[in-house]
Amino acid sequence: SQQGEEDPQALSIQEGENATMNCSYKTSINNLQWYRQNSGRGLVHLILIRSNEREKHSGRLRVTLDTSKKSSSLLITASRAADTASYFCATMGNTPLVFGKGTRLSVIA
Amino acid sequence: DAGVIQSPRHEVTEMGQEVTLRCKPISGHNSLFWYRQTMMRGLELLIYFNNNVPIDDSGMPEDRFSAKMPNASFSTLKIQPSEPRDSAVYFCASSLQEGVNTEAFFGQGTRLTVV
Repeated sequence: SQQGEEDPQALSIQEGENATMNCSYKTSINNLQWYRQNSGRGLVHLILIRSNEREKHSGRLRVTLDTSKKSSSLLITASRAADTASYFCATMGNTPLVFGKGTRLSVIA
Repeated sequence: DAGVIQSPRHEVTEMGQEVTLRCKPISGHNSLFWYRQTMMRGLELLIYFNNNVPIDDSGMPEDRFSAKMPNASFSTLKIQPSEPRDSAVYFCASSLQEGVNTEAFFGQGTRLTVV
């Protein structure tokens, strides 16, 4: 069964704008990870945030985690056409790496 | 490192036939995961191994599915007999489970079509 649920399912923005994706989950976790998938390819790890962390940055990526609300957000700043992909959150808890259905991001040049 | 290697990349088979998907994890990784991805159900965790031992196979859809990991460098996912509803992309991933705060590395997937 799915643990994480991303929101929105699809997002379309102009190049240069910021993109925010949200993830909600149901059970306790050790960490939450975000992955990216280009069409027809495997998933690529973007960032990991531990359960005792609230915010983490990596380049143009900013991830927040609110364990009281069982939610996380991924912010991509100054988006580029190359950021067009599907983005997934995955929780690591009693069952490792359970993924949501993802957010399809389209960045229009 | 070549990354996680899956074969074949594409497989088309007739209903009722046996299908075997293969995975070579990254050398030194001790956890291996098999996922199935469809539009309707997203990414489903089928089974995962730690140190070649199956830990949780509760995601395996039914007895037609079986997975093995005879050694640290090879795993198979077998479907026998295959059915059209098994059509999906199957991913293998591996990680180095030092504690739990590690990332997974995915293969390019096997696109299975059962006709």
